[in-house]
Amino acid sequence: EVQLVESGGGLVQPGGSLRLSCAASGFAFSSTWMSWVRQAPGKGLEWVGRIKSQTDGGTTDYPAPVKGRFTISRDDSGKKLYLQMNSLKTEDTAVYFCTTDHFYNSGWAGYFQHWGQGTLVTVSS
Amino acid sequence: DIQMTQSPSTLSASVGDRVTITCRASQSINSWLAWYQQKPEKAPKLLIYKASTLESGVPSRFSGSGSGTEFTLTISSLQPDDFATYYCQQYQGYRTFGQGTKVEIK
Repeated sequence: EVQLVESGGGLVQPGGSLRLSCAASGFAFSSTWMSWVRQAPGKGLEWVGRIKSQTDGGTTDYPAPVKGRFTISRDDSGKKLYLQMNSLKTEDTAVYFCTTDHFYNSGWAGYFQHWGQGTLVTVSS
Repeated sequence: DIQMTQSPSTLSASVGDRVTITCRASQSINSWLAWYQQKPEKAPKLLIYKASTLESGVPSRFSGSGSGTEFTLTISSLQPDDFATYYCQQYQGYRTFGQGTKVEIK
């Protein structure tokens, strides 16, 4: 059974930093492309970045709102995904979900097959 | 960025009703569209990908259609477990979601 368990959320002041972790089990983590998706309180879903597997280059992609501030990394031996968040803003307040991309038709598709339960990040003074 | 617009924002329906949710993309996304169901305080659940392919384990009362810029999610006979919020998501470019459609009890 696929399990994704996020941790590391909490209260941080504007301008501060936080690192989220996601512990993965039940699937071939090292070969899986992974993403983070967030949801502000009472709002919709927003993709915040993706990391490819090391065999596919291990490269990352980010949307404009977080580019240059957020960094995704992975530890394949420990089966962990990370999200380093710097220069946090109040608008970064959200539940952050760790997700897997889906391997479909011989390639990695850009939608999210499995989700963790999420961890809440609150940016406030 | 590709913008996704869902309608309606809220939908009131009864058990047994046929329900249709529409999602429009600001430019063509071919069939690169997924649908999710989310219940309060829970993570979203993948229902459909590539516009019309049902994810394993999802009941057959859910179906998706469309291509290009206009897509629909249909629930053929609404069940009590289906009252939730539904999101579309494109993956033609940088991934973006619609704003959500809440299906509530009439």
